Amino acid sequence: ILNVEQSPQSLHVQEGDSTNFTCSFPSSNFYALHWYRWETAKSPEALFVMTLNGDEKKKGRISATLNTKEGYSYLYIKGSQPEDSATYLCASRSGSARQLTFGSGTQLTVLP
Amino acid sequence: ETGVTQTPRHLVMGMTNKKSLKCEQHLGHNAMYWYKQSAKKPLELMFVYNFKEQTENNSVPSRFSPECPNSSHLFLHLHTLQPEDSALYLCASSPRDSSYEQYFGPGTRLTVT
Repeated sequence: ILNVEQSPQSLHVQEGDSTNFTCSFPSSNFYALHWYRWETAKSPEALFVMTLNGDEKKKGRISATLNTKEGYSYLYIKGSQPEDSATYLCASRSGSARQLTFGSGTQLTVLP
Repeated sequence: ETGVTQTPRHLVMGMTNKKSLKCEQHLGHNAMYWYKQSAKKPLELMFVYNFKEQTENNSVPSRFSPECPNSSHLFLHLHTLQPEDSALYLCASSPRDSSYEQYFGPGTRLTVT
């Protein structure tokens, strides 16, 4: 994988459902993986920065896992609420690059 | 609030106009970035400044001209743009240019007519 890819592109879930989406990134020379939450008309907000294989991070109902050997990260949202509606971006940094490479995002809509 | 502000939030300009986008960060960071997001595409890095010096220019056309007078302010000067330059332009900052975290502004929605 040369680019950062996210799936699905968009997702609609009912309030209360749990959901997850995927970020795939280049596994060679991996340095760090970032997740951002981006609400319409607002600034992207950092959720997690992950660096270690097997790492798992949690913030409230949102958690993320990291597999650096196979080059993927999952973001989980437990008991989705309408205020979770946003675009979730992931970005990776490889050891040879100083900057972040972003995926296209997963647009989540939580229906009341 | 992320501590990064951008003005204006919306801008409509003709192809012969000259305009500037402004970014200001109140976080004491030393690196600042311009990103472009076109419809349905990932964020694309345009420029990086570290301690007021440009450290990266990601093959951006010369009709986009960045300026970083100090570590807190970043400008993007625009002239003779094309309609395909219509996009969301985001500014970000970080403690230094290889730092983990980047803090983003809300963006300027630019429309070129």
